[in-house]
This record gives sequence, C-alpha cells and structure tokens, in this order.
Amino acid sequence: AQSVAQPEDQVNVAEGNPLTVKCTYSVSGNPYLFWYVQYPNRGLQFLLKYITGDNLVKGSYGFEAEFNKSQTSFHLKKPSALVSDSALYFCAVRDIGRDDKIIFGKGTRLHILP
Amino acid sequence: KAGVTQTPRYLIKTRGQQVTLSCSPISGHRSVSWYQQTPGQGLQFLFEYFSETQRNKGNFPGRFSGRQFSNSRSEMNVSTLELGDSALYLCASRPEGSDGYTFGSGTRLTVV
Repeated sequence: AQSVAQPEDQVNVAEGNPLTVKCTYSVSGNPYLFWYVQYPNRGLQFLLKYITGDNLVKGSYGFEAEFNKSQTSFHLKKPSALVSDSALYFCAVRDIGRDDKIIFGKGTRLHILP
Repeated sequence: KAGVTQTPRYLIKTRGQQVTLSCSPISGHRSVSWYQQTPGQGLQFLFEYFSETQRNKGNFPGRFSGRQFSNSRSEMNVSTLELGDSALYLCASRPEGSDGYTFGSGTRLTVV
C-alpha cells in the first residue's frame, strides 16, 4: 500500500535562512506527489505537484521541491524563509498504478524565527 | 469560480448523537474525498466518491458513512458519536486526471 513519511514533527529555521521539509514515500507504481500548506483554522492549500518530467518542481510562494526516485524522496525547499511561511506542511502521494486516493503524511510544523 | 464549500463550520454534539456534514465541490469536479484531521494522526482518509459511487474507503468503522448526489455534492454521516470523533473534517474535490485536491475550510466537530 502507498504511504508517506514526514520524519520531522517540527522544523525551526531563522528568517532569511534556507529551509527544507523532508518527505519520503512508498508506492508500488509511479507516484504523483504533492505538497500542501495549512494555516490555522483553515483547510489545506495546494503548493506544488510532481507528475512527470523535470525533477525540480517550482510552486507557490517561492517554494520548490525535488523529486528523487532512487531515494523515494520529495523534499520541500525554499532559499530564504519568511516569518509568514510558519504553518503546517503536508506531503501527499497518489499511486497512479493502483487507485486514485491521495494519502497524506502526518505533517511538519514549520516555525520561522524572526 | 467558487471553491469547495463545507457546512457547517463548527458543530458541537453529545456522545451517542449522530451528525451530518455537507460538502459542495468546485463546479465540474466529480470526485469528492473526505479526511479526518486530528493533532496526533494528521490527515486520515475516510472515503472518496465519484459520480455518486464510493470509489475508495479508508479504515474507519461503519459508523462513518457518506454519499454523493447527482450534482456532485456530498454528505458524510457519523452515527453514535464518540469523544474520539472530535476532529476537523475536511472535504476535497478534484477533476479527473493527475491534479491534486482543492480543499474546503473544514467542519470542526466537537463531541462532548
């Protein structure tokens, strides 16, 4: 069965520093991969997705993610963190070879320190 | 175009009662999925509906059920509520194909 792991419950980064939020996945076929962000008392907002093609995907708010098939990872990155990036981030995967449901990781809380 | 609309936003129920939550997807989206979000478990998949048929189901007890209408609107029902059902229930819709979800703002259910 497909699964997603976000190994860090929380990540703290100083404002202006680069940030990375880690994600690894497991699927039997080829994956569709997604990152979502959640602000307090809100639903999830789409950041970016990897379907096929270039391994480096650029998304909203200056975020990007790199697909690494050999390491089955899809880490979220940003070159320079903003305090407003503080939120809960979810990685998700959909196995295009099996069924259509999307499975989410447990989330990583990102704190950007001023 | 309008986003995914969930009603009500907040709900307080007592143990043993039942509750119905509603979700109106983005126009043209025929797939609707439901997730339960709790602090310790993250987002857990409940079920997915497509064209009025349940296409996928997560590992929740039979007290959790859902349905989808011909206009793609969906409802989920939880019967015999337990304290542990307190959570944020998120609905998401998407078009067919490779796109990801668009989420609603959720319904915060508190069981007392």
